[in-house]
Amino acid sequence: EVQLLESGGDLVQPGGSLRLSCAASGFTFSSYAMGWVRQAPGKGLEWVSAIGGSGATTYYADSVKGRFTISRDNSKNTLYLQMNSLRAEDTAVYYCAKRAAVTSGYFDYWGQGTLVTVSS
Amino acid sequence: EIVMTQSPATLSVSPGERATLSCRASQSVSSNLAWYQQKPGQAPRLLIYGASTGATGIPARFSGGGSGTEFTLTISSLQSEDFAVYYCQQYNSWPLTFGGGTKVEIK
Repeated sequence: EVQLLESGGDLVQPGGSLRLSCAASGFTFSSYAMGWVRQAPGKGLEWVSAIGGSGATTYYADSVKGRFTISRDNSKNTLYLQMNSLRAEDTAVYYCAKRAAVTSGYFDYWGQGTLVTVSS
Repeated sequence: EIVMTQSPATLSVSPGERATLSCRASQSVSSNLAWYQQKPGQAPRLLIYGASTGATGIPARFSGGGSGTEFTLTISSLQSEDFAVYYCQQYNSWPLTFGGGTKVEIK
């Protein structure tokens, strides 16, 4: 059974940093691209970032480019999102999601999410 | 960036009735379109990919159609567990983009 478990969400001040983690199990982690999708309170879904299976290829939404870094440790079956220079508008539930295939950009499994609140 | 527009924002339907949700892309996404269902407090769940292929375990009452810029999600006979928010997502090009969602509520 595929499981994705996010952690690391917290209350952080504007300008601060936070690192999210996503522990994956139930599939061959290194064979699948992964991504982060966020949802601000009461709002819709917004794709944030994606990474290929080896970690060599990464993509970012313009809203986070230059501030967020996606990475993965295939030896630990873990996905990360390093978030720097956080802003109030980054407040959201952050979901880790597994991409269905290398060539497909849709997500077939999602974690339950971790809440990031950016506020002074 | 491809903008995805969903309509209506809210759809009021009685149990047992048919619901049709629309999703429009600002430019062609071919058939690279997915639909997700999200219930309050839960993560999204994949329903449809490739515009019309049902994901594993999804009931046959859910069907998707369309290609290019116009897409539909049809729920043939609404069950109580189907009342939720539905999102479309294009994966034809980066950045990946989602529609704003359609809330299906009980009439």
